[in-house]
Amino acid sequence: GAGVSQSPRYKVAKRGQDVALRCDPISGHVSLFWYQQALGQGPEFLTYFQNEAQLDKSGLPSDRFFAERPEGSVSTLKIQRTQQEDSAVYLCASSRPGTPEQYFGPGTRLTVT
Amino acid sequence: AQSVAQPEDQVNVAEGNPLTVKCTYSVSGNPYLFWYVQYPNRGLQFLLKYITGDNLVKGSYGFEAEFNKSQTSFHLKKPSALVSDSALYFCAVIGPRNDYKLSFGAGTTVTVRA
Repeated sequence: GAGVSQSPRYKVAKRGQDVALRCDPISGHVSLFWYQQALGQGPEFLTYFQNEAQLDKSGLPSDRFFAERPEGSVSTLKIQRTQQEDSAVYLCASSRPGTPEQYFGPGTRLTVT
Repeated sequence: AQSVAQPEDQVNVAEGNPLTVKCTYSVSGNPYLFWYVQYPNRGLQFLLKYITGDNLVKGSYGFEAEFNKSQTSFHLKKPSALVSDSALYFCAVIGPRNDYKLSFGAGTTVTVRA
């Protein structure tokens, strides 16, 4: 079946612009995660949803970052007033009930100029 | 807090030779351990996991990993490397109190030369 999909794959934003990144998880996966991967580093946890409930947003770096999953499937990560330090690859992952392994999408590479 | 260390930034091997990528972890209690591989401009691809049971776990593409509790290690191995195994490899851990949050190492770049 189809894997996790993310769009856009690449996004260039001017500093101060708002951006929205979309994630379509694997069908039937109730858990959804967002990670941020800076250049040359491993991914860092941002936030976690179970269905539509955001159960953990402890990794969001500032209040400019906001994530939602209103119907328990597609999720959007929004970054307001982007800054250069927001430049990174944003990865979305999903997992099946009862299994800990997460399946990742291809990521969105955000470049803030 | 949980963490993972991958002590080697790069590993270079000749095709056909054994490949080992090292990983050590720090977590309170029993860990869930994972290996992922990342090809250029692609997301992370799940290779294998250790949850409980046999210390040697087998995964995709001929990879295996050995869990060693006394050394807090989970090294990834492949008996005979292929050029197509050249990629970036990440070790990750979930601790028992954060049973969903993956903590990743910094990654190890593997280059297999023909």
